[in-house]
Amino acid sequence: GENVEQHPSTLSVQEGDSAVIKCTYSDSASNYFPWYKQELGKGPQLIIDIRSNVGEKKDQRIAVTLNKTAKHFSLHITETQPEDSAVYFCAASWAGYSTLTFGKGTMLLVSP
Amino acid sequence: GAVVSQHPSRVICKSGTSVKIECRSLDFQATTMFWYRQFPKQSLMLMATSNEGSKATYEQGVEKDKFLINHASLTLSTLTVTSAHPEDSSFYICSARDSEAFFGQGTRLTVV
Repeated sequence: GENVEQHPSTLSVQEGDSAVIKCTYSDSASNYFPWYKQELGKGPQLIIDIRSNVGEKKDQRIAVTLNKTAKHFSLHITETQPEDSAVYFCAASWAGYSTLTFGKGTMLLVSP
Repeated sequence: GAVVSQHPSRVICKSGTSVKIECRSLDFQATTMFWYRQFPKQSLMLMATSNEGSKATYEQGVEKDKFLINHASLTLSTLTVTSAHPEDSSFYICSARDSEAFFGQGTRLTVV
């Protein structure tokens, strides 16, 4: 089955800095890679996703890159703000309606 | 984006009683929904896949008689924790997919 590794487990940055979270996956058949933000006591919120036919996707301060050859994808947050502080999860799946395999999460702390 | 509604958000029950958690997809039909359990500071653990009109598929180690899943319509799946015990206390989250995967707000279950 699929295995997703996520690093780092914690990340502390100063407000305005950039933050990068990296994930690797094992199943070359995976073709859907979403990123979720989870605040304390809430369910995960989809913030951006990318499919295997695209190498990069950007939405305002958030971008995701995908390297299919190396089987890794990354989340980039620029100009971080304190409200970006949360746990971020990457995930991977291989078909449109199959289950997601999650990374273990990254706790991002943005200090003012 | 699509919305998945889950309730209750919090529930406290006595040991030995049963608790039902509802998950609704509000603006799309979901033939498949997923139920997760999340322990503090950990990633999401898939418990079962809920299939509309048929039996749920449970992950290894999940007791199907304790965690009853019903997917009676294309927009509603329910998880019933039967004969709850303190060790069942956890954060339960549902998910539904169309082209993307969305999560409910989560349910904090506390068994006393």
